[in-house]
Amino acid sequence: GEQVEQRPPHLSVREGDSAVITCTYTDPNSYYFFWYKQEPGASLQLLMKVFSSTEINEGQGFTVLLNKKDKRLSLNLTAAHPGDSAAYFCAVSGGSNNRIFFGDGTQLVVKP
Amino acid sequence: NAGVIQTPRHKVTGKGQEATLWCEPISGHSAVFWYRQTIVQGLEFLTYFRNQAPIDDSGMPKERFSAQMPNQSHSTLKIQSTQPQDSAVYLCASSWTPTNERLFFGHGTKLSVL
Repeated sequence: GEQVEQRPPHLSVREGDSAVITCTYTDPNSYYFFWYKQEPGASLQLLMKVFSSTEINEGQGFTVLLNKKDKRLSLNLTAAHPGDSAAYFCAVSGGSNNRIFFGDGTQLVVKP
Repeated sequence: NAGVIQTPRHKVTGKGQEATLWCEPISGHSAVFWYRQTIVQGLEFLTYFRNQAPIDDSGMPKERFSAQMPNQSHSTLKIQSTQPQDSAVYLCASSWTPTNERLFFGHGTKLSVL
Protein backbone atom coordinates (compact mmCIF):
# COMPACT_ATOMS: atom_id res chain seq x y z
CA GLY A 1 0.00 0.00 0.00
CA GLU A 2 0.86 3.65 -0.04
CA GLN A 3 3.68 4.82 2.19
CA VAL A 4 4.18 8.46 3.02
CA GLU A 5 7.43 9.66 4.54
CA GLN A 6 7.64 13.15 5.96
CA ARG A 7 10.84 15.04 6.87
CA PRO A 8 12.03 16.56 9.05
CA PRO A 9 10.17 15.50 12.19
CA HIS A 10 11.29 18.68 13.94
CA LEU A 11 12.22 22.05 12.47
CA SER A 12 13.29 25.24 14.21
CA VAL A 13 13.78 28.48 12.28
CA ARG A 14 14.12 32.18 13.04
CA GLU A 15 11.35 34.61 12.27
CA GLY A 16 11.64 35.75 8.68
CA ASP A 17 13.45 32.62 7.53
CA SER A 18 11.88 30.06 5.23
CA ALA A 19 10.87 26.62 6.41
CA VAL A 20 10.63 23.65 4.08
CA ILE A 21 8.83 20.39 4.88
CA THR A 22 8.93 17.51 2.42
CA CYS A 23 6.90 14.35 1.91
CA THR A 24 7.60 11.49 -0.42
CA TYR A 25 5.01 8.90 -1.38
CA THR A 26 5.14 5.56 -3.15
CA ASP A 27 1.89 5.09 -5.09
CA PRO A 28 2.26 6.64 -8.57
CA ASN A 29 -1.54 6.63 -8.92
CA SER A 30 -2.01 9.08 -6.06
CA TYR A 31 -3.85 12.11 -7.24
CA TYR A 32 -4.84 14.27 -4.32
CA PHE A 33 -2.46 15.85 -1.88
CA PHE A 34 -3.14 17.81 1.28
CA TRP A 35 -1.31 19.82 3.91
CA TYR A 36 -2.85 20.13 7.35
CA LYS A 37 -1.81 22.39 10.20
CA GLN A 38 -2.34 21.54 13.86
CA GLU A 39 -1.80 24.34 16.34
CA PRO A 40 -1.13 23.46 19.98
CA GLY A 41 -4.23 22.09 21.64
CA ALA A 42 -6.26 22.29 18.45
CA SER A 43 -7.32 19.82 15.82
CA LEU A 44 -6.00 19.49 12.30
CA GLN A 45 -7.09 22.16 9.87
CA LEU A 46 -6.68 22.02 6.12
CA LEU A 47 -3.97 24.34 4.84
CA MET A 48 -4.16 23.45 1.17
CA LYS A 49 -5.49 20.77 -1.16
CA VAL A 50 -3.42 20.12 -4.26
CA PHE A 51 -4.40 18.34 -7.41
CA SER A 52 -1.84 16.38 -9.33
CA SER A 53 -2.33 18.53 -12.39
CA THR A 54 -0.81 21.59 -10.73
CA GLU A 55 2.81 21.67 -9.76
CA ILE A 56 2.98 24.96 -7.93
CA ASN A 57 0.29 26.12 -5.59
CA GLU A 58 0.52 29.36 -3.70
CA GLY A 59 -1.24 30.15 -0.48
CA GLN A 60 -1.01 32.97 1.99
CA GLY A 61 2.61 33.00 3.06
CA PHE A 62 3.44 29.57 1.70
CA THR A 63 3.98 27.59 -1.48
CA VAL A 64 3.25 23.94 -2.14
CA LEU A 65 5.31 22.18 -4.77
CA LEU A 66 4.40 18.83 -6.30
CA ASN A 67 6.91 16.76 -8.25
CA LYS A 68 5.08 13.72 -9.60
CA LYS A 69 8.16 12.30 -11.25
CA ASP A 70 9.96 12.10 -7.93
CA LYS A 71 6.72 11.52 -5.99
CA ARG A 72 7.58 14.41 -3.73
CA LEU A 73 5.41 17.05 -2.11
CA SER A 74 6.81 20.03 -0.27
CA LEU A 75 5.50 22.88 1.81
CA ASN A 76 7.58 26.04 1.83
CA LEU A 77 6.68 28.67 4.37
CA THR A 78 8.25 31.90 3.20
CA ALA A 79 9.20 34.44 5.84
CA ALA A 80 7.94 32.33 8.72
CA HIS A 81 6.55 34.08 11.78
CA PRO A 82 5.88 32.78 15.32
CA GLY A 83 2.21 32.22 14.45
CA ASP A 84 3.32 29.52 12.04
CA SER A 85 4.59 27.43 14.94
CA ALA A 86 2.53 24.24 14.77
CA ALA A 87 2.59 20.65 13.62
CA TYR A 88 2.22 20.15 9.89
CA PHE A 89 0.99 16.97 8.24
CA CYS A 90 0.98 15.98 4.60
CA ALA A 91 -1.64 13.57 3.29
CA VAL A 92 -1.96 11.63 0.04
CA SER A 93 -5.00 9.96 -1.50
CA GLY A 94 -6.64 8.80 -4.69
CA GLY A 95 -4.24 5.98 -5.31
CA SER A 96 -4.73 2.26 -5.41
CA ASN A 97 -5.86 2.13 -1.78
CA ASN A 98 -9.17 3.76 -1.20
CA ARG A 99 -8.23 6.08 1.62
CA ILE A 100 -6.05 8.97 2.75
CA PHE A 101 -2.52 8.37 4.03
CA PHE A 102 -0.81 10.81 6.39
CA GLY A 103 2.82 11.57 7.01
CA ASP A 104 4.14 11.44 10.57
CA GLY A 105 4.11 15.20 10.93
CA THR A 106 6.66 17.98 11.39
CA GLN A 107 6.80 20.05 14.54
CA LEU A 108 7.76 23.57 13.43
CA VAL A 109 9.00 26.17 15.88
CA VAL A 110 9.50 29.73 14.69
CA LYS A 111 11.59 31.77 17.10
CA PRO A 112 11.23 35.56 17.29
CA ASN B 1 -22.47 23.93 11.23
CA ALA B 2 -20.83 22.78 14.45
CA GLY B 3 -18.24 20.67 12.72
CA VAL B 4 -17.25 17.21 13.84
CA ILE B 5 -18.20 16.77 17.48
CA GLN B 6 -16.32 14.41 19.73
CA THR B 7 -17.27 13.57 23.26
CA PRO B 8 -15.94 13.51 25.84
CA ARG B 9 -13.01 15.89 25.39
CA HIS B 10 -11.10 14.18 28.15
CA LYS B 11 -11.55 10.74 29.64
CA VAL B 12 -9.64 9.18 32.47
CA THR B 13 -9.98 5.47 33.08
CA GLY B 14 -8.35 2.96 35.33
CA LYS B 15 -6.41 0.09 33.86
CA GLY B 16 -8.79 -2.67 32.83
CA GLN B 17 -11.83 -0.45 32.48
CA GLU B 18 -13.78 0.12 29.30
CA ALA B 19 -13.77 3.39 27.40
CA THR B 20 -16.29 4.48 24.78
CA LEU B 21 -15.56 7.45 22.60
CA TRP B 22 -18.24 9.20 20.56
CA CYS B 23 -18.13 11.03 17.29
CA GLU B 24 -20.82 12.99 15.48
CA PRO B 25 -19.75 13.65 11.89
CA ILE B 26 -20.80 16.63 9.86
CA SER B 27 -24.27 16.10 8.49
CA GLY B 28 -24.20 14.76 4.96
CA HIS B 29 -20.67 13.44 5.09
CA SER B 30 -20.47 9.86 3.89
CA ALA B 31 -17.07 8.93 5.29
CA VAL B 32 -16.01 8.77 8.93
CA PHE B 33 -12.46 8.11 10.04
CA TRP B 34 -10.84 7.32 13.37
CA TYR B 35 -7.20 8.16 14.11
CA ARG B 36 -5.03 7.86 17.18
CA GLN B 37 -2.40 10.51 17.86
CA THR B 38 0.56 10.18 20.20
CA ILE B 39 3.86 11.97 20.40
CA VAL B 40 5.77 8.76 19.75
CA GLN B 41 3.68 7.24 16.95
CA GLY B 42 2.27 10.39 15.41
CA LEU B 43 -1.04 10.12 13.58
CA GLU B 44 -2.14 6.50 13.24
CA PHE B 45 -5.05 5.42 11.08
CA LEU B 46 -7.44 3.11 12.89
CA THR B 47 -10.54 2.56 10.79
CA TYR B 48 -13.06 4.18 8.50
CA PHE B 49 -16.69 3.87 7.47
CA ARG B 50 -18.41 4.81 4.26
CA ASN B 51 -22.16 5.21 4.36
CA GLN B 52 -22.05 3.57 7.81
CA ALA B 53 -20.40 0.41 6.49
CA PRO B 54 -16.96 -0.54 7.80
CA ILE B 55 -14.53 -0.33 4.88
CA ASP B 56 -11.03 -0.57 6.27
CA ASP B 57 -10.10 -1.47 9.82
CA SER B 58 -6.51 -2.38 9.08
CA GLY B 59 -5.22 0.04 11.70
CA MET B 60 -7.29 -1.28 14.54
CA PRO B 61 -5.52 -3.35 17.18
CA LYS B 62 -6.89 -6.85 16.84
CA GLU B 63 -7.89 -7.14 20.45
CA ARG B 64 -9.89 -4.86 22.69
CA PHE B 65 -10.66 -2.21 20.04
CA SER B 66 -13.92 -2.02 18.13
CA ALA B 67 -15.73 0.67 16.18
CA GLN B 68 -19.29 0.99 15.08
CA MET B 69 -21.47 3.36 13.15
CA PRO B 70 -25.05 2.44 13.98
CA ASN B 71 -26.48 5.42 12.12
CA GLN B 72 -25.27 8.27 9.95
CA SER B 73 -25.16 10.71 12.82
CA HIS B 74 -22.69 9.02 15.10
CA SER B 75 -19.85 6.58 15.42
CA THR B 76 -18.30 5.02 18.49
CA LEU B 77 -14.87 3.69 19.28
CA LYS B 78 -14.83 1.25 22.16
CA ILE B 79 -11.73 0.10 23.98
CA GLN B 80 -12.15 -2.82 26.34
CA SER B 81 -9.82 -3.52 29.23
CA THR B 82 -7.88 -0.29 28.68
CA GLN B 83 -4.13 -0.32 29.15
CA PRO B 84 -1.73 2.58 29.83
CA GLN B 85 -0.39 2.28 26.27
CA ASP B 86 -3.89 3.14 24.99
CA SER B 87 -3.42 6.66 26.34
CA ALA B 88 -3.59 8.99 23.35
CA VAL B 89 -5.72 11.57 21.63
CA TYR B 90 -8.33 9.85 19.51
CA LEU B 91 -9.38 11.90 16.52
CA CYS B 92 -12.51 11.49 14.47
CA ALA B 93 -12.81 13.02 11.02
CA SER B 94 -15.45 13.07 8.33
CA SER B 95 -15.58 13.96 4.67
CA TRP B 96 -17.97 13.99 1.74
CA THR B 97 -16.11 11.12 0.12
CA PRO B 98 -13.30 8.91 1.41
CA THR B 99 -10.46 9.81 -0.88
CA ASN B 100 -10.48 13.07 -2.70
CA GLU B 101 -11.94 15.47 -0.25
CA ARG B 102 -10.48 17.24 2.72
CA LEU B 103 -11.05 15.73 6.12
CA PHE B 104 -12.81 17.73 8.79
CA PHE B 105 -11.38 16.79 12.15
CA GLY B 106 -12.96 16.94 15.55
CA HIS B 107 -11.02 18.27 18.54
CA GLY B 108 -10.34 14.76 19.69
CA THR B 109 -10.82 12.83 22.90
CA LYS B 110 -7.81 12.71 25.15
CA LEU B 111 -7.80 9.31 26.81
CA SER B 112 -5.67 8.82 29.89
CA VAL B 113 -5.38 5.32 31.30
CA LEU B 114 -3.95 5.31 34.79
